[in-house]
Amino acid sequence: DVKVTQSSRYLVKRTGEKVFLECVQDMDHENMFWYRQDPGLGLRLIYFSYDVKMKEKGDIPEGYSVSREKKERFSLILESASTNQTSMYLCASSLPRGLGNQPQHFGDGTRLSIL
Amino acid sequence: DQQVKQNSPSLSVQEGRISILNCDYTNSMFDYFLWYKKYPAEGPTFLISISSIKDKNEDGRFTVFLNKSAKHLSLHIVPSQPGDSAVYFCASFPRGNTGKLIFGQGTTLQVKP
Repeated sequence: DVKVTQSSRYLVKRTGEKVFLECVQDMDHENMFWYRQDPGLGLRLIYFSYDVKMKEKGDIPEGYSVSREKKERFSLILESASTNQTSMYLCASSLPRGLGNQPQHFGDGTRLSIL
Repeated sequence: DQQVKQNSPSLSVQEGRISILNCDYTNSMFDYFLWYKKYPAEGPTFLISISSIKDKNEDGRFTVFLNKSAKHLSLHIVPSQPGDSAVYFCASFPRGNTGKLIFGQGTTLQVKP
């Protein structure tokens, strides 16, 4: 069974801090994704990666960066945290669509609060 | 513009009755659709999917219907159970894309005992 693990369930940080959210998957998936979920807005894609060291901007990349040095790990970085980045952050992984219509598998999320 | 829309933020049904969750999309370039279910403090889990070459897919109590001419899909849950209470997201792959999903805003379903 696919396992996507996010390093923290809850995190509290201060405005201006650099924040790292870590995600690891154990199924050798090429694709990895970072979303944020806010009430009434659904899941919005921040960044995604199709392979090691490759990254693509999603719909709301401003204020974020990512790192994918190893296939199983995808990190989301808040360069200088702001209160409007308080949210639920979700990581997902999947096989490439070229192998069929592969659903994304999600971690349990990190509830991040910026004070 | 590629959008997936869930226009009902919430739905309340009685246990044992049918739940119908709706989803509209704006672009005929979407060719595969998925439904996810999300409990509080957990990540979304994949529920059921349908290809644009079909108009119905069934899995136990869950059935998804696709109306391509109306650019509309719906998820039917029969019979509804209290454990089905969750947020439901529809999502779609645009044709030709490599795996990036477009999600709707979500509908919160409450099934009352």
